[in-house]
Amino acid sequence: QKEVEQNSGPLSVPEGAIASLNCTYSDRGSQSFFWYRQYSGKSPELIMFIYSNGDKEDGRFTAQLNKASQYVSLLIRDSQPSDSATYLCAVSLSGGYNKLIFGAGTRLAVHP
Amino acid sequence: DVKVTQSSRYLVKRTGEKVFLECVQDMDHENMFWYRQDPGLGLRLIYFSYDVKMKEKGDIPEGYSVSREKKERFSLILESASTNQTSMYLCASSLPGVEQYFGPGTRLTVT
Repeated sequence: QKEVEQNSGPLSVPEGAIASLNCTYSDRGSQSFFWYRQYSGKSPELIMFIYSNGDKEDGRFTAQLNKASQYVSLLIRDSQPSDSATYLCAVSLSGGYNKLIFGAGTRLAVHP
Repeated sequence: DVKVTQSSRYLVKRTGEKVFLECVQDMDHENMFWYRQDPGLGLRLIYFSYDVKMKEKGDIPEGYSVSREKKERFSLILESASTNQTSMYLCASSLPGVEQYFGPGTRLTVT
């Protein structure tokens, strides 16, 4: 059974700090990795994707991928209360059809 | 902007009823997906479709069926609703090999 593991949290950080969210996955053939943000009662919203080892930056967000360690992370710099949400890690399944496996999510709470 | 819409935000049905959940996307995406989301269990794939009239079972297809007669529309059918199908149902669409975009979700309660 292919799996994606995330710490459920809550991860509590003060406003202005860096929030670090982590994800491990079991399918060594996975090629694409995604981070979604989900506010309470809302649907997931894509915020980042990464395909290659290393870092990818987009504004306050940085995704980091290490395929050898089967590890992907999301850093949020200058965290704001509006970043408080559940962050879902999603990993493509090897074998096609663009199927994704989702982690259960990490709840982030940014306090003023 | 990609737009995925779902027919209802909230739905209450009785046990044994046949339930239809509709999803429409406006970006000409080949792939469409139905998930359910439950607390602590994350998103679980029910069915997906990679072309018109083509469908594949996901991880939890029991008690569900799907229909895709047109590219833009993907329907989820609960043949005989049961209380354990009370959940948030999320539809998503994508081009092959790229990210999925989600609709707003339908919160279904079966009493």
